[in-house]
Amino acid sequence: EVQLVESGGGLVQPGGSLRLSCAASGFTLSSYWMSWVRQAPGKGLEWVANIKPDGSEKYYVDSVKGRFTISRDNAKNSLYLQMNSLRAEDTAVHYCARHKPIAGATGSLGFWGQGTLVTVSS
Amino acid sequence: DIQMTQSPSTLSASVGDRVTITCRASQTISSWLAWYQQKPGKAPKFLIYKASSLESGVPSRFSGSGSGTEFTLTISSLQPDDFATYYCQQYNTYPLTFGGGTKVEIK
Repeated sequence: EVQLVESGGGLVQPGGSLRLSCAASGFTLSSYWMSWVRQAPGKGLEWVANIKPDGSEKYYVDSVKGRFTISRDNAKNSLYLQMNSLRAEDTAVHYCARHKPIAGATGSLGFWGQGTLVTVSS
Repeated sequence: DIQMTQSPSTLSASVGDRVTITCRASQTISSWLAWYQQKPGKAPKFLIYKASSLESGVPSRFSGSGSGTEFTLTISSLQPDDFATYYCQQYNTYPLTFGGGTKVEIK
C-alpha cells in the first residue's frame, strides 16, 4: 500500500525553524518527483516546492525562497522541508505529495500524505 | 505567475444534478491542468490530469475538458460522496498554482 506520512509540525515562534519529514512506503521514492503543498486554515492550496528524483533540481514559490529548503534521502525513503525564518503567514497544514510519473502528467500530484500542521505564533 | 480563477466559489446542488465548475488561466497552459477533490480535514484526492484524463479508480461521472485558458470539471450526476471542495492546478509553468477552490454544497 502506498503511504506518505508527514511529521515534524508543531508550534514555533516567529523567526524560528522547523524541519518537516515525509516517510514514503509502498513505492520506490527514487523514481518520483516530490512536492510540498500547504494550506492555511480555511484557505486554499499553495504549492511550496518540489524536487527531482535524484535531487539535482529544486523549485520554490517566491514567498519561501531563501527561507525553505527541500531535500530528500532516497535510501531512507524520506522527503524533507527545512523551514527557517518562519513567519505567521507560514501557518498551515503542510502536505507532501508524489507527482504522477507519466508523460503529460508529471506536474500533477497523484498521491498526498495526510499533512502536518505548522503554527507560527508567539 | 499564472493565476488560476475558479467559478463559482460556491455551488449549491442536489443529488442527481449535473454540475460544472470552470477554471480559467491568466495565460495559456495548453492542457497542463489537473483537478482535485478535498473533503474537510482530509488531504486532496487526485481526479484528472492533462485536462481530460481520468485518474484510475475515479468514477466515470467525473470528466474534464478544455485547453488553452479555459477548462471545466463536470460531474454528470452528483452523488452524496461528491459534496466537497474542488481545486484546479496548472503545471505548465513554475510556480505550480492552484485555483481558489469551488465548494459544492447540498441544496
